[in-house]
Amino acid sequence: GQQLNQSPQSMFIQEGEDVSMNCTSSSIFNTWLWYKQDPGEGPVLLIALYKAGELTSNGRLTAQFGITRKDSFLNISASIPSDVGIYFCAGLPGGGNKLTFGTGTQLKVEL
Amino acid sequence: GAVVSQHPSWVICKSGTSVKIECRSLDFQATTMFWYRQFPKQSLMLMATSNEGSKATYEQGVEKDKFLINHASLTLSTLTVTSAHPEDSSFYICSADSGGASYEQYFGPGTRLTVT
Repeated sequence: GQQLNQSPQSMFIQEGEDVSMNCTSSSIFNTWLWYKQDPGEGPVLLIALYKAGELTSNGRLTAQFGITRKDSFLNISASIPSDVGIYFCAGLPGGGNKLTFGTGTQLKVEL
Repeated sequence: GAVVSQHPSWVICKSGTSVKIECRSLDFQATTMFWYRQFPKQSLMLMATSNEGSKATYEQGVEKDKFLINHASLTLSTLTVTSAHPEDSSFYICSADSGGASYEQYFGPGTRLTVT
């Protein structure tokens, strides 16, 4: 099935640094979601975006719904060790309830 | 928030046997449940969508006779891997949709299946 492309695939950063990752699609989505998955666990929803151009924050996390509706961005400010994990974007088409997941960005934080 | 549980959290079975995985929505009724498979270092791939009381809808390439899904109540869906083989070893994750805004899918903690 279709997958969304995420970049970077992985990143190794210093504690306290800001992090940016993005997700692109060849098709349009009406809803963009960002999840975090810890090893051996299911994904946990971080942020949901519903409108093109929307910018939404959740604590140190900020995500944006791209104007073309084919991309989304996630920023994490002042990273801390517990931010370690895999971040997935996911898209929902208009009128649909099936999520399409991105390829994932693995974040590692160095103390 | 809404809680989804899965049982068992991990299972080891012999090749040729069948394994049943349960997915329960603990504090809400799920109109729709979804089953995903995730291989190591890969993303989640949707296997099937199930609605209470009706047959599941399988994604292209997923064998419905091999992965039997039953959604008998609004809080329980089961996935049975029949005649399991080593290539079926994977992390199986379910999610449940409360029927509200379409983003409200809550994921279970996953089940690690190892077929020897």
